[in-house]
Amino acid sequence: TQLLEQSPQFLSIQEGENLTVYCNSSSVFSSLQWYRQEPGEGPVLLVTVVTGGEVKKLKRLTFQFGDARKDSSLHITAAQTGDTGLYLCAGARLGGYGKLTFGQGTILTVHP
Amino acid sequence: SAVISQKPSRDICQRGTSLTIQCQVDSQVTMMFWYRQQPGQSLTLIATANQGSEATYESGFVIDKFPISRPNLTFSTLTVSNMSPEDSSIYLCSVEVRSATLLDGYTFGSGTRLTVV
Repeated sequence: TQLLEQSPQFLSIQEGENLTVYCNSSSVFSSLQWYRQEPGEGPVLLVTVVTGGEVKKLKRLTFQFGDARKDSSLHITAAQTGDTGLYLCAGARLGGYGKLTFGQGTILTVHP
Repeated sequence: SAVISQKPSRDICQRGTSLTIQCQVDSQVTMMFWYRQQPGQSLTLIATANQGSEATYESGFVIDKFPISRPNLTFSTLTVSNMSPEDSSIYLCSVEVRSATLLDGYTFGSGTRLTVV
C-alpha cells in the first residue's frame, strides 16, 4: 500500500506569515497533486508536479516535487485569510491508472 | 476541464434505508471515481466506474453495500445500501482532467453530505 504522510495536520497562523506543508512517502509516485477544499465543496486542483525536482509557482504558492518523486512540499508566502481551507496532497500510483492516494490533509486557518 | 453536477448535496436518512447519489458530467469520460471523506479529513477511494463494465472496488468496499451504475459516458450513480450511522460521511465523485494525453489532475463534484440517524 502506498501511503502519503502529510504534515502538519493543523496550522493556525496570522495573516502575512509564511508556511510550509509537507507530504512524504516511502513509495514513488508518477505524479503528485495538491488540492484545496472549502467546506461544502469538493477538492479543487491547485497544481500537478510530474518531474523529480520540479518546482512550480502559483502566485504566492510554491510547490516542489522531491528528486526521487517520493515527497512534495507546498509553501505559501505572506498568507491571506482567503488561503484558509483544507489542503490535500495526492499521489498518482505507479501502474495504478487513475487511482490517487491522498494524504491526511492540513487544515489551515489564517487569522486577520 | 469537466464540470460535475452531484446530487443530492446533503441528506439525512434513517438507518436500514438506501440512498442513491448521482453524478452528471458535462463531457464524456472513460472513468469515474467515487470517494468517501470524513469532514476535514482525507479522501478514501471506494471504487472506479467504467462505462460498460462492472465497477472495481477498493479493499474494504463491496458491491452489495455500494452498488454503482455507469449507464453511459457522462453519468454514474453510487448507492449506499442498508445504511448505518457509520456510513455518515461525505461522498464525492471525480473524473480526470487531461490536456492532450497528459493527466493534469482530477475534478471533483461538490459532494453529498450524508447523515444516518
